[in-house]
Amino acid sequence: DAGITQSPRHKVTETGTPVTLRCHQTENHRYMYWYRQDPGHGLRLIHYSYGVKDTDKGEVSDGYSVSRSKTEDFLLTLESATSSQTSVYFCAISSLAGASGNEQFFGPGTRLTVL
Amino acid sequence: AQSVSQHNHHVILSEAASLELGCNYSYGGTVNLFWYVQYPGQHLQLLLKYFSGDPLVKGIKGFEAEFIKSKFSFNLRKPSVQWSDTAEYFCAVGTGANNLFFGTGTRLTVIP
Repeated sequence: DAGITQSPRHKVTETGTPVTLRCHQTENHRYMYWYRQDPGHGLRLIHYSYGVKDTDKGEVSDGYSVSRSKTEDFLLTLESATSSQTSVYFCAISSLAGASGNEQFFGPGTRLTVL
Repeated sequence: AQSVSQHNHHVILSEAASLELGCNYSYGGTVNLFWYVQYPGQHLQLLLKYFSGDPLVKGIKGFEAEFIKSKFSFNLRKPSVQWSDTAEYFCAVGTGANNLFFGTGTRLTVIP
């Protein structure tokens, strides 16, 4: 398995509080992604990063921000959590090296519950 | 905008039955195609992928998929499923932007 860890793995928080999820990789891959997984929606891209301090929005970026100050870490922040952000969040990484192309490797996920 | 359709939301099969899960995409350019599997409580893992060449690709655990360009399809098949194949299966399409677009997933339940 690719060296990807996510922390925390589970979190319960209250509406209106800030939450930060961390993704850490040991593969030195250039690209990192944050997805949310919800029943009936599959995986939807929140934000992604194509290098240190280089990020861009995905399909469902409203209410989320990201930062990448080091190659290995990609942080996802919910500035003021809402119940609609209750979800499972997956981090993924990819490299364009060789034949990998767009193949992405996924972390174990973070289950976030917003009460 | 790109989209990926998986029309089968939940498939229930008995062990040894054959499996085919549909995946259609809408994108006119060159694509890379993937099937990922998510076992209960686990993260997504790659089953197989197509970049170029032979449109019939073989993956792990006896799965295969066929890319039919004219139909914009990349259906997943397995001749004989096992109980351990119970999982959720996601089709994904990659374009030159290096982002993947996922389908909504198909839940497969295999009955022993």
